[in-house]
Amino acid sequence: KAGVTQTPRYLIKTRGQQVTLSCSPISGHRSVSWYQQTPGQGLQFLFEYFSETQRNKGNFPGRFSGRQFSNSRSEMNVSTLELGDSALYLCASSLRGADNYGYTFGSGTRLTVV
Amino acid sequence: GQQLNQSPQSMFIQEGEDVSMNCTSSSIFNTWLWYKQDPGEGPVLLIALYKAGELTSNGRLTAQFGTTRKDSFLNISASIPSDVGIYFCAGYSDGGSQGNLIFGKGTKLSVKP
Repeated sequence: KAGVTQTPRYLIKTRGQQVTLSCSPISGHRSVSWYQQTPGQGLQFLFEYFSETQRNKGNFPGRFSGRQFSNSRSEMNVSTLELGDSALYLCASSLRGADNYGYTFGSGTRLTVV
Repeated sequence: GQQLNQSPQSMFIQEGEDVSMNCTSSSIFNTWLWYKQDPGEGPVLLIALYKAGELTSNGRLTAQFGTTRKDSFLNISASIPSDVGIYFCAGYSDGGSQGNLIFGKGTKLSVKP
């Protein structure tokens, strides 16, 4: 059974650019969540999608957005990149949500903004 | 917002020693999860706890859901070099504004052979 797949693994972008990250959840999982991980702030919740609808959203500016497709694959987009957006972005999937056996995480996308 | 206080921040122990770490919250959680993260990888779920007072083991790992529902601990017995990594507690409170998993800042474990 394939795990959660995130692409790309590494990305270098310039300030002001935008970026799109992709996440393919475990087959059958309908909930996909995104987290930003930095050394100073730890794991910060970005948003959760369930059946193509954003169900929860964390405290991030509107430059961070996401969407989920009918096959449960999800993308997140960050526009007008800032240096502080450099982080490991993690995607996690579950059947219904965090209360259902927790999340399975992907290996993440390491974004560096220069 | 809700926060989880995880301690200690880091531990440096000898192989074979037992390890204990804990997580506390000012609010009640319905679910406690413990994850381990290796460098360059995403966190991997170790143990999930769903009932107050629940004690669950997974090999050398044991975790408990505190009876007040505001804390949890993780014990690792007879540590080995591959236990090295960052351990995160995570809590789920469906009554919270986020309605999603909240993570502690992690405990970095180093094991000396």
